[in-house]
Amino acid sequence: KAGVTQTPRYLIKTRGQQVTLSCSPISGHRSVSWYQQTPGQGLQFLFEYFSETQRNKGNFPGRFSGRQFSNSRSEMNVSTLELGDSALYLCASNPAGGNTGELFFGEGSRLTVL
Amino acid sequence: AQTVTQSQPEMSVQEAETVTLSCTYDTSESDYYLFWYKQPPSRQMILVIRQEAYKQQNATENRFSVNFQKAAKSFSLKISDSQLGDAAMYFCAYRRFNQFYFGTGTSLTVIP
Repeated sequence: KAGVTQTPRYLIKTRGQQVTLSCSPISGHRSVSWYQQTPGQGLQFLFEYFSETQRNKGNFPGRFSGRQFSNSRSEMNVSTLELGDSALYLCASNPAGGNTGELFFGEGSRLTVL
Repeated sequence: AQTVTQSQPEMSVQEAETVTLSCTYDTSESDYYLFWYKQPPSRQMILVIRQEAYKQQNATENRFSVNFQKAAKSFSLKISDSQLGDAAMYFCAYRRFNQFYFGTGTSLTVIP
């Protein structure tokens, strides 16, 4: 079974631009979560989608948005990029339904904002 | 709000020795799950071990074991017979329903 796939792996943007990151979960997984990882801050929860609906949202500004498609693939978008948005963005999938399982992570998308 | 604290930003261990990584969490719930994740330098996070709060017995997975103290809200990870491949960032995580909370991580160095 293929793992969680994130694209692109690396990208460089300038302040004010926007970016879209993509995540394909493990086949059969209906929940997709997004995290921002920065040194010293650990993983900060952005949002979680389940069956195309945002189920949970972290404490991030409205510039951060996401969506999930009917095939469970998810995208997240960051508009009006700021220097502080430079981070590793991790996507994780979960079979969902129950509330006992672990998250399965992708390798992440490394965003650098200049 | 649930919080997870890892008070050791960095740890080191000699190869073949044992090391313990600390984690504490704050919750008023009685039913939840705890996890330790490993993130090697290649970045993909993988699950090391999990613990159900309702189970008193500490989880073990080969060289990895936990010391789960529910009343103290402590969940430490013990790595025995450390290997070079154990070098990574380790994250403690708490799950309640479909919400996960992560600590800030402990960077483990294994010295040959």
